[in-house]
Amino acid sequence: AQRVTQPEKLLSVFKGAPVELKCNYSYSGSPELFWYVQYSRQRLQLLLRHISRESIKGFTADLNKGETSFHLKKPFAQEEDSAMYYCALNPGAQKLVFGQGTRLTINP
Amino acid sequence: EPEVTQTPSHQVTQMGQEVILRCVPISNHLYFYWYRQILGQKVEFLVSFYNNEISEKSEIFDDQFSVERPDGSNFTLKIRSTKLEDSAMYFCASSSDRGPGNEQFFGPGTRLTVL
Repeated sequence: AQRVTQPEKLLSVFKGAPVELKCNYSYSGSPELFWYVQYSRQRLQLLLRHISRESIKGFTADLNKGETSFHLKKPFAQEEDSAMYYCALNPGAQKLVFGQGTRLTINP
Repeated sequence: EPEVTQTPSHQVTQMGQEVILRCVPISNHLYFYWYRQILGQKVEFLVSFYNNEISEKSEIFDDQFSVERPDGSNFTLKIRSTKLEDSAMYFCASSSDRGPGNEQFFGPGTRLTVL
């Protein structure tokens, strides 16, 4: 079965604190994983993808195949990071399988 | 920067009525998708479309649903006889490719309310 689990519906941290949004996946093949973000009143947009091994807006995510995880991290949270974050899996097909999403709130 | 557009932003309909949700994908993209998100739930894949035919569809995408690319720019989702449980946010997306790490670009969504 193809599944993405984001265990935290809500996450609240203070500005300047580290952030980690958890994502675990279930997929028997070689996964393609993404983080999408939705800021208030904006559309879903790609934040980063594991294949690029990039850092966007200070965020990074490492694919851990042993733990089947793709956690999103940022060392120092900023207020503009407040948004809904979705982890997504492309199971080798023309679709994305999304997690439930985590609403991140950065407190001043 | 080119964007996916969707109309209308909000559609209210009576149960049993037909609705057509419209999307204009990014102009040079070849792959098109519909997703939906019921309030408080996950974004769920409905269907993908390439070269004027359905590439893949989910269990949700039953005979009540259909998709069409009636001209060179629009991509539509039709629900033939709406049910209360069809109330959701419907997102259209498009991509230029389907290769590794390929990005899907999402529209702003259409909120469908079935009364």
